[in-house]
Amino acid sequence: DTAVSQTPKYLVTQMGNDKSIKCEQNLGHDTMYWYKQDSKKFLKIMFSYNNKELIINETVPNRFSPKSPDKAHLNLHINSLELGDSAVYFCASSQAQGIIYEQYFGPGTRLTVT
Amino acid sequence: GNSVTQMEGPVTLSEEAFLTINCTYTATGYPSLFWYVQYPGEGLQLLLKATKADDKGSNKGFEATYRKETTSFHLEKGSVQVSDSAVYFCALSPNQAGTALIFGKGTTLSVSS
Repeated sequence: DTAVSQTPKYLVTQMGNDKSIKCEQNLGHDTMYWYKQDSKKFLKIMFSYNNKELIINETVPNRFSPKSPDKAHLNLHINSLELGDSAVYFCASSQAQGIIYEQYFGPGTRLTVT
Repeated sequence: GNSVTQMEGPVTLSEEAFLTINCTYTATGYPSLFWYVQYPGEGLQLLLKATKADDKGSNKGFEATYRKETTSFHLEKGSVQVSDSAVYFCALSPNQAGTALIFGKGTTLSVSS
């Protein structure tokens, strides 16, 4: 009965490789997000999708490409990985409750680029 | 623009001590405010929330009151436990569809027995 799940939990790869992180939510929410947490624990939004439509596309390298095949899934593909991409990536989802958008987070994917 | 400022850590306390973690915000409109907690090696969990001025959010002995006049949402707990050791994030939601949470930089709490 996991609400927001991500796979894999850990990802170790070499520079230059291409990798994907998958996210699924079973909460019936219509909005999903990707956040990046750096080594100092700072959290920053990367993308958000509402009903499969890209809403937020922050200033991230175009090596990062989100894809939302349906409302319950939001995947993150990263091309040509660099050392600086090492971080923890969190998926989240939300649904409006009136005007309140409470976000639920997945467990995170720790990406290490060597 | 919207922003959140929270006190720098780490905060080190003995068990049963009183905890305050300060959080102030800048926002246009009427945001909702949240405290999230991240235990070591885990994801973020919603700890408590407040959606309008003077609301008090509470959970697991933690409390925070939405103060519009001082633009603050300070987290408090009367008696911390070792199991409360974690990173605490104050966050703001502009309450618009698809918009992201704006997080403070996080405060690491370490409680010793």
